[in-house]
Formats: sequence, structure tokens, C-alpha cells
Amino acid sequence: KAGVTQTPRYLIKTRGQQVTLSCSPISGHRSVSWYQQTPGQGLQFLFEYFSETQRNKGNFPGRFSGRQFSNSRSEMNVSTLELGDSALYLCASSDGFSGGELFFGEGSRLTVL
Amino acid sequence: DQQVKQNSPSLSVQEGRISILNCDYTNSMFDYFLWYKKYPAEGPTFLISISSIKDKNEDGRFTVFLNKSAKHLSLHIVPSQPGDSAVYFCAASEPGGYQKVTFGTGTKLQVIP
Repeated sequence: KAGVTQTPRYLIKTRGQQVTLSCSPISGHRSVSWYQQTPGQGLQFLFEYFSETQRNKGNFPGRFSGRQFSNSRSEMNVSTLELGDSALYLCASSDGFSGGELFFGEGSRLTVL
Repeated sequence: DQQVKQNSPSLSVQEGRISILNCDYTNSMFDYFLWYKKYPAEGPTFLISISSIKDKNEDGRFTVFLNKSAKHLSLHIVPSQPGDSAVYFCAASEPGGYQKVTFGTGTKLQVIP
């Protein structure tokens, strides 16, 4: 069974640009969550999508957005990048009812210069 | 507002001894608690969980204890092995089955051979 796949693994952007990250969940999983990991802050919840609907949202500005497609694949977008957006962005999939037992991808490492 | 706190950023233990990782939480609505393990360049991996109706859950060398009155949980690893060296994240979720998980900042465990 293939795991969670995130692309790209690494990317470098400059301030003001936008970026789109992609996540393919485990087959059969309908929930995709996104997390931001920065040093000293742990993992911060961005949002969760279930069957193409945003079901939950964290405390991030509107520059952070996402969507989910009918095949459960998800994308997240960050517009008008700031230096502080440099982080590891992790995608996690689940059946949507596991209470927090998530399967994570390896992450997309974003560096904003 | 850090609702899940891991006050020890690092811990070193001799191989074969017990590792005890601690976690405190402030949100009384949390009803499900989890521990994740993360190796460098990999996404977090679910390790063990406990429901708020229990005070102990055991899985092989790993045991999680929950003290609801103190809003405290701990992960015990016995015996510790060098392969256990990783960052351990404490996490919690609220009722509803949704996948919004609140993570702590992590404790880096080093098991010395």
C-alpha cells in the first residue's frame, strides 16, 4: 500500500511569490490535513479536507488556502510569501474518523528568501 | 497559546534503561491523546494513543499514562533501544472524529548504546 506522497520535496521562493504544494493520500483515505512545522513551534494545524470540503481550519492568515479533488488528492497554496513562511509543510491522510491517528508524508521543505 | 506542552526539548538515556517523556495539556476538551515519533527527513509516525476514559495503554515496549486531573500524560519506553532515538511529539484531539490535532513542540530522545 503506497504511503502519502508530497511534491515537491524541496523548493526555494522569494518574498511576494506564491507556492502550491501537492499531496496524494493513501488510497481509500478521504481526509487530508496540512501542518506547518517550524523550529520551536512543533506542528501547527493549517486545515483539513474531507470529501472535497474543508472541515476544519487552524489559525493561519487567508494567504494560506487549500483544496481537495474528487480523487482525494489535495493542494495547498500560499500567496504573497513572507520570510516567516519558511517551514516544513506536512500532509497527513486518514479515514477521517480515527481521532487523530494520521499517516504523514515526508513533507515539502519551503525556503523563502 | 500552546495547549499541548512538552517542557523538555531533549532527553538522553542509556540503552536498556527506561525513557520517560512527559507532556502537559491545558484544554479540557481534549479526549484523545497520541504520541508520534519523527526521524530526520521523514514525516511523523503514529506510535501509540490513549482515550480519556483510560489511564493507561500499553503496546509492546511503549506505555502511555494519562492523569486527567493533572492534565498530564507520559510515554514510557522500556527497554530503550538506539533505534528509538528520534523526536517524540505529544498530540491531542477534541471530540467529533475530525482530524484537527494539536501537537506539542517535541522532545528529542537520544538513546546511548
